[in-house]
Amino acid sequence: GAGVSQSPSNKVTEKGKDVELRCDPISGHTALYWYRQSLGQGLEFLIYFQGNSAPDKSGLPSDRFSAERTGGSVSTLTIQRTQQEDSAVYLCASSHGDRFRNMNTEAFFGQGTRLTVV
Amino acid sequence: AQKITQTQPGMFVQEKEAVTLDCTYDTSDPSYGLFWYKQPSSGEMIFLIYQGSYDQQNATEGRYSLNFQKARKSANLVISASQLGDSAMYFCAMRVTENTGNQFYFGTGTSLTVIP
Repeated sequence: GAGVSQSPSNKVTEKGKDVELRCDPISGHTALYWYRQSLGQGLEFLIYFQGNSAPDKSGLPSDRFSAERTGGSVSTLTIQRTQQEDSAVYLCASSHGDRFRNMNTEAFFGQGTRLTVV
Repeated sequence: AQKITQTQPGMFVQEKEAVTLDCTYDTSDPSYGLFWYKQPSSGEMIFLIYQGSYDQQNATEGRYSLNFQKARKSANLVISASQLGDSAMYFCAMRVTENTGNQFYFGTGTSLTVIP
């Protein structure tokens, strides 16, 4: 498809287990973002990838969270030893990231992964 | 530092009335873009409107307009003739150019409820 794809759409896991969330960005988009959104709340920035540059990890809440982006395309967000407070919707977005180009094009979001830790 | 601020966590408006959602931003970059998104209860993020930092006129898209005041660093969203379907979360975002490319920064959002 032409949009940002996230999988799974829903994930229920037991406390203490590890989970992997996947994001397939729009082809050609060099920038990729992960956000977390608790029920009825705003967007919490987690991590930002731009091309081959080192990612901006400043939003990751703890060392249990990590993310990779392989080949400048697909990204995986991993949460180790999940806790109940990790329950949220995890949103991925991608955009054109080149300097001074496509500045007026928006970021496109996936439908999110709803994570529930029980 | 780049920053986007939305100071209104929740807003109410009567149906058919106009409403303004506030957004201020902070950047030292002269070239930037400002965006508004709508997130209904279904969860999808819907792009509404864009304003470039060099644009002379305020952006408009149907019932949406962006009140861009560059000197004040504000980019408020105005929704005219509110409809029940406008009830949603609204996010302001800024795109700036950095050494490695350009990056989006999002505000914390404003929840709008339209009252019949």
